[in-house]
Amino acid sequence: EVQLVESGGGLVKPGGSLRLSCAASGFTFANFKMNWVRQAPGKGLEWVSSISSSSNYIYYADSVKGRFTISRDDAKKSLYLQMNSLRAEDTAVYYCVRVGMTTVTNWFDPWGQGTLVTVSS
Amino acid sequence: SYEVTQPPSVSVSPGQTASITCSGDKLGDKYVSWYQQKPGQPPVLVIYQDTKRPSGIPERFSGSNSGNTATLTISGTQAMDEADYYCQAWDSSTHYYVFGTGTKVTVL
Repeated sequence: EVQLVESGGGLVKPGGSLRLSCAASGFTFANFKMNWVRQAPGKGLEWVSSISSSSNYIYYADSVKGRFTISRDDAKKSLYLQMNSLRAEDTAVYYCVRVGMTTVTNWFDPWGQGTLVTVSS
Repeated sequence: SYEVTQPPSVSVSPGQTASITCSGDKLGDKYVSWYQQKPGQPPVLVIYQDTKRPSGIPERFSGSNSGNTATLTISGTQAMDEADYYCQAWDSSTHYYVFGTGTKVTVL
């Protein structure tokens, strides 16, 4: 069974840092592009960051560019999100998602259960 | 940046057909995916590449995409289909992903 399990969320003060982790199992992690997607309380979904297999291509939403860093460790089958200079508007549930893809489209399947990040003083 | 919009809510009677739209400039030139999210749960993929259903998704879910509008159709809607639905597109030029604003489907 394909499974993604996030960890590392919690309460942090504005300006602080947090590192999220996602442990993957049930598939060949190294072969897949992976993403982070977030959802603020009561709000919609927002794409955060993307990393290709082998880490050659990395992309960030404008809202987190320069503050967040995505990375992966294929040997540990893990995805990471280092979040610095956190703001109140970064408060959200952060989901780890595997990317299904062809040459012309990408989709997200499956999703982890999510980890809640709360930025508040 | 590219944006897609959805109606905030759609109401449907049990057994009837629900149609959820997703609108964006030349959206038909991109491929669209759809996700179902029930309260307290992560989203679940129900349609990808405009019309394809993942394994395990009931046949009553179908999708289309043309012009500026993509549509998710739920035929014979059941009470269990009550959820929020989000469309998603991928911009191959920027490699950015965009989600629709979300539609709450209520089965009355």
